[in-house]
Amino acid sequence: GAVVSQHPSRVICKSGTSVKIECRSLDFQATTMFWYRQFPKQSLMLMATSNEGSKATYEQGVEKDKFLINHASLTLSTLTVTSAHPEDSSFYICSALGQGRTGELFFGEGSRLTVL
Amino acid sequence: GEDVEQSLFLSVREGDSSVINCTYTDSSSTYLYWYKQEPGAGLQLLTYIFSNMDMKQDQRLTVLLNKKDKHLSLRIADTQTGDSAIYFCAGVGGSGNTGKLIFGQGTTLQVKP
Repeated sequence: GAVVSQHPSRVICKSGTSVKIECRSLDFQATTMFWYRQFPKQSLMLMATSNEGSKATYEQGVEKDKFLINHASLTLSTLTVTSAHPEDSSFYICSALGQGRTGELFFGEGSRLTVL
Repeated sequence: GEDVEQSLFLSVREGDSSVINCTYTDSSSTYLYWYKQEPGAGLQLLTYIFSNMDMKQDQRLTVLLNKKDKHLSLRIADTQTGDSAIYFCAGVGGSGNTGKLIFGQGTTLQVKP
């Protein structure tokens, strides 16, 4: 099956710093990727839809200046948490929509961010 | 928008069948999905059902879809301890099959030996 890789899988940073998380589709091209956030023991909350070559579409309540998304190529989307604070600590998961695979999403393994 | 609801917890004994239920609000969802999440890991697609189907079986997994009641269920036959995980149902939010999934809260399945 198709593979989506996220990096880093775990990151710890100090409050006020910025952290970049990468999401790569390894064996297929993904024009659309999604970023989710998951709090402990809770469901996934869609943050934004990332479209290659255009601006991301953010869900209501998600600060676009806080969570910068860049989808510069058909295989890479990045999420940058800017000026991170402890409340940004969470599990961030990306998914990619496979080309030609209607309705089939492939998920990364997730990135756990801890802000001290 | 789409809203997806699940029961939060289910406990079964090894060898029994497990049934995890889900209700959704957006009848335009083309596909409905079941994902499995083990502790600290990402999501694994278990199975999905196309909205014009009533049932789909895949080895130990059976998905039932009642479109009238907007009810989806996942049955796991001969449940094993390795099936212990959180199970999420998801539907497509918004119009069209954009891949924008809306997840339920997740059902924690506990399998006792």
